[in-house]
Amino acid sequence: DAKTTQPNSMESNEEEPVHLPCNHSTISGTDYIHWYRQLPSQGPEYVIHGLTSNVNNRMASLAIAEDRKSSTLILHRATLRDAAVYYCILKISNFGNEKLTFGTGTRLTIIP
Amino acid sequence: GAVVSQHPSRVICKSGTSVKIECRSLDFQATTMFWYRQFPKQSLMLMATSNEGSKATYEQGVEKDKFLINHASLTLSTLTVTSAHPEDSSFYICSATPGGSNQPQHFGDGTRLSIL
Repeated sequence: DAKTTQPNSMESNEEEPVHLPCNHSTISGTDYIHWYRQLPSQGPEYVIHGLTSNVNNRMASLAIAEDRKSSTLILHRATLRDAAVYYCILKISNFGNEKLTFGTGTRLTIIP
Repeated sequence: GAVVSQHPSRVICKSGTSVKIECRSLDFQATTMFWYRQFPKQSLMLMATSNEGSKATYEQGVEKDKFLINHASLTLSTLTVTSAHPEDSSFYICSATPGGSNQPQHFGDGTRLSIL
């Protein structure tokens, strides 16, 4: 799987938007960009994924650069419950039953 | 939504004990489940892929005789840590997916294993 690079940590104020960057300069044409997050002492949870177009769901938005070498996860209005480690992962296909390779992720701290 | 249940959530036992962890998909069938291990302040590391009705596929460096995986039904996979030692203390997490396209992985809440 192609490698992703994320900042180790970020801070944001509560109720403000958060932009979490991810670089994936070696992404291939068939790689999907997936985001998961892990709250303390819990298993990861799915956030969002996309291929080329920007994506929105109830949790977040995913903005994908035109060259696909980077992407940004956007939390529109951070709450304290959004404090977690966010992982940007590339997967070779859109099928769910394939393993995920987790990097170090970004630890997001929300300041009240 | 799809739910994966993991049991027990925490285990504390003596060195040399074998410990079984269950991973169940509650409202979907999963031909494939995954087992991860996470040490404190580290990322998740995939240990093995559990395949229903066949042998598990282990990642490089994971001892298959140490970490026994059984996936006997479409809703249950078990991980048994045999003769556990303190270095096996970790957070074990399973995941599964309903399969097909556009389906995310669903993770259990993890099992914190502490070997004394």
